[in-house]
Amino acid sequence: AQKVTQVQTEISVVEKEDVTLDCVYETRDTTYYLFWYKQPPSGELVFLIRRNSFDEQNEISGRYSWNFQKSTSSFNFTITASQVVDSAVYFCALSDHSTGTASKLTFGTGTRLQVTL
Amino acid sequence: SAVISQKPSRDICQRGTSLTIQCQVDSQVTMMFWYRQQPGQSLTLIATANQGSEATYESGFVIDKFPISRPNLTFSTLTVSNMSPEDSSIYLCSVPGDEGGGPGELFFGEGSRLTVL
Repeated sequence: AQKVTQVQTEISVVEKEDVTLDCVYETRDTTYYLFWYKQPPSGELVFLIRRNSFDEQNEISGRYSWNFQKSTSSFNFTITASQVVDSAVYFCALSDHSTGTASKLTFGTGTRLQVTL
Repeated sequence: SAVISQKPSRDICQRGTSLTIQCQVDSQVTMMFWYRQQPGQSLTLIATANQGSEATYESGFVIDKFPISRPNLTFSTLTVSNMSPEDSSIYLCSVPGDEGGGPGELFFGEGSRLTVL
């Protein structure tokens, strides 16, 4: 069975601090995809990144960076110089290929990030 | 990217009644997904709706409780039947961003926040 664990339920930081959101996953699939989504107070989920299981290169996009380590089954997300607009719930997700539908996702429980001035 | 509109955005319902949620996509898509997000919880997939066939329900969800229609490639409805307070959740419609094979990112509507009294 697939599982995504986000042990940090809530994190509070002061603006401009760096913050890392942890994500650990379990899967028996050899091919899979990992995702991060942001859910701001408006409720809509916003896609941030997709990473496939064969690509362990870290990725940087502006203030966001992702560290994928297959050896530890982790896919951590770092926000550098956090801003108030980063305040949201962040979900890590794993694709489920068991039904042949690669777009079916298993979500973690989310980490609520609060950035204050 | 896909633009997804959901109606209603929120509603307050009485126990025992039913509510139908609509999801409209601005492009034709083969698969549409319905997720539930209970208060403070993660997202759980309810069912996958394919045009022209019966929806595929996940474990713990049944058609009698959550009937789904998919009359065309841009529209779907989810009905929450005989509601109880435990059905109070955000219901989200989503579509894959990549119809060409591997999983693209999922696009989500803003969700329908349902409160059952």
